[in-house]
Amino acid sequence: RKEVEQDPGPFNVPEGATVAFNCTYSNSASQSFFWYRQDCRKEPKLLMSVYSSGNEDGRFTAQLNRASQYISLLIRDSKLSDSATYLCVVNINQAGTALIFGKGTTLSVSS
Amino acid sequence: DTGVSQDPRHKITKRGQNVTFRCDPISEHNRLYWYRQTLGQGPEFLTYFQNEAQLEKSRLLSDRFSAERPKGSFSTLEIQRTEQGDSAMYLCASSSTLAGPAQFFGPGTRLTVL
Repeated sequence: RKEVEQDPGPFNVPEGATVAFNCTYSNSASQSFFWYRQDCRKEPKLLMSVYSSGNEDGRFTAQLNRASQYISLLIRDSKLSDSATYLCVVNINQAGTALIFGKGTTLSVSS
Repeated sequence: DTGVSQDPRHKITKRGQNVTFRCDPISEHNRLYWYRQTLGQGPEFLTYFQNEAQLEKSRLLSDRFSAERPKGSFSTLEIQRTEQGDSAMYLCASSSTLAGPAQFFGPGTRLTVL
């Protein structure tokens, strides 16, 4: 079983749509959780950390369910500029050593 | 620009040659990480430094790979006797023990081994 699993997509949505990405992780000792965004041939960029209580940043909402080992990202009112690959990321050590990445989910927003 | 920087951005080499990459972390960050990413995959962890000490190495880091961070600032990653399977994007990231576990990535070095 992969440590972090994501639906690879692609998700093709029109502008203004709401889209949700899901992710599961296998290690129950995982301590920190993130969503990173990666544009084609660019480096991953931190989109948001994910907290147990859930958190929101503008059009983006992240949820964590530790019991189910499940993480989600909701994007509302999609923009063309949201087109990218979204990487679900966990680490086991609160001190922050190796990040474990999923393969990513590709989103394409069209006009 | 105060982000993570990497040099070179692209490297093309012939099989069997040695290559060295450099990473300059965000200046106040004491932790530095190397990852490798191939097409269609997420980045995979290679190694991690806290200050000048190399504290963790992945099993992906074969004996042809060596990383250093001699003064706790910039880091180098050397690959000896390159193989075609080494072709990948090599990403460097940094973080601070004071600012939490999130890591910030440089633009990467894209290696092509012919």
